[in-house]
Amino acid sequence: GDSVTQMEGPVTLSEEAFLTINCTYTATGYPSLFWYVQYPGEGLQLLLKATKADDKGSNKGFEATYRKETTSFHLEKGSVQVSDSAVYFCALSDLYNFNKFYFGSGTKLNVKP
Amino acid sequence: DGGITQSPKYLFRKEGQNVTLSCEQNLNHDAMYWYRQDPGQGLRLIYYSQIVNDFQKGDIAEGYSVSREKKESFPLTVTSAQKNPTAFYLCAVGAYMVYNEQFFGPGTRLTVL
Repeated sequence: GDSVTQMEGPVTLSEEAFLTINCTYTATGYPSLFWYVQYPGEGLQLLLKATKADDKGSNKGFEATYRKETTSFHLEKGSVQVSDSAVYFCALSDLYNFNKFYFGSGTKLNVKP
Repeated sequence: DGGITQSPKYLFRKEGQNVTLSCEQNLNHDAMYWYRQDPGQGLRLIYYSQIVNDFQKGDIAEGYSVSREKKESFPLTVTSAQKNPTAFYLCAVGAYMVYNEQFFGPGTRLTVL
């Protein structure tokens, strides 16, 4: 079945450091891939998405490229800020499986000033 | 997301009582979902509904029930059969059979005393 695996946290970085959060997936169909961000006590917000192979999603300085050959969708940001501290979830949606979403376990990011 | 309302934000109940969590949306999307999130954990799917008057069990449906009488509403009842109901509950909305993200509500934190 479909699944998403992302790196465990927490990830602790200093402000302006480079961020990578790894995400790999398993899917039987043709999934869309997403990164969501969750701030404490809140719901999830969409950060970026990619709907087909080689697509690059980007938003607020974050980027991720849909790599079908490596079944990966790693999240990157060149220079993190304290305000980026949150939990990040990788997810996939399988159009041919009733649009069910499969979420990774989440990676907590702590950015220190 | 402003188009999805979950109420209340915090809910306290005594053990053995049923409780209903509200989820309302004005995004005009067909699909609605309920997830459970435990501290430091990812999201687990409880129930989902693709159209009015139809819903399917997710991965952890035992001890929960839902109804979908209107497109805008998808209430979740946590019954006394749910052995460990204290958690953060998230409602989400999405377009059915379309490559599209899920939009999340702000969540309800349920504490059973």
